[in-house]
Amino acid sequence: AQSVAQPEDQVNVAEGNPLTVKCTYSVSGNPYLFWYVQYPNRGLQFLLKYITGDNLVKGSYGFEAEFNKSQTSFHLKKPSALVSDSALYFCAPYGGGYQKVTFGTGTKLQVIP
Amino acid sequence: DVKVTQSSRYLVKRTGEKVFLECVQDMDHENMFWYRQDPGLGLRLIYFSYDVKMKEKGDIPEGYSVSREKKERFSLILESASTNQTSMYLCASSQTGNGYTFGSGTRLTVV
Repeated sequence: AQSVAQPEDQVNVAEGNPLTVKCTYSVSGNPYLFWYVQYPNRGLQFLLKYITGDNLVKGSYGFEAEFNKSQTSFHLKKPSALVSDSALYFCAPYGGGYQKVTFGTGTKLQVIP
Repeated sequence: DVKVTQSSRYLVKRTGEKVFLECVQDMDHENMFWYRQDPGLGLRLIYFSYDVKMKEKGDIPEGYSVSREKKERFSLILESASTNQTSMYLCASSQTGNGYTFGSGTRLTVV
């Protein structure tokens, strides 16, 4: 069975500082891993994905994520946070084929000016 | 730009009404999904469809039904709306093996 954990309900970071939003997962087989962002009263937007290849994946808006197979983690990172990055972030692992994507409960990122 | 379009952004309905939420995608995706999103509960899958006229129950199908008569359209039906169905409803589509594309969501209030 697939599962995902986002251990922090909220992350606060000062503007200009690096940010990390944590995610650990469990899938059978090789994982496909996604991050989505949701701005207030909007649907989810795709940020980035890992399927295979380099463990560091670059995505939209300067975000990147690091795949760590031994720790089954896929943490979202950004070197320098912007106030406009404040939003809800969802980690979503997927086992491939006709399995469904599993969404975490989300982490609210608050970037403080 | 590829799109998933949900027919209404905000909807207010009365208890007992039959409610239709429409979703259309223009990407020729095989798979379509309906989620509801509630604070503290994340996204919960209501129903999904892997093909035309095909549907599968998700984690919380009670009180809902769906229809997929055409590949591009996936409708969510609340047979008799209740106040506990007040929520944000999100439609998504995907090609198998890829991530999801979401619509903007419909915020439904049942009074």
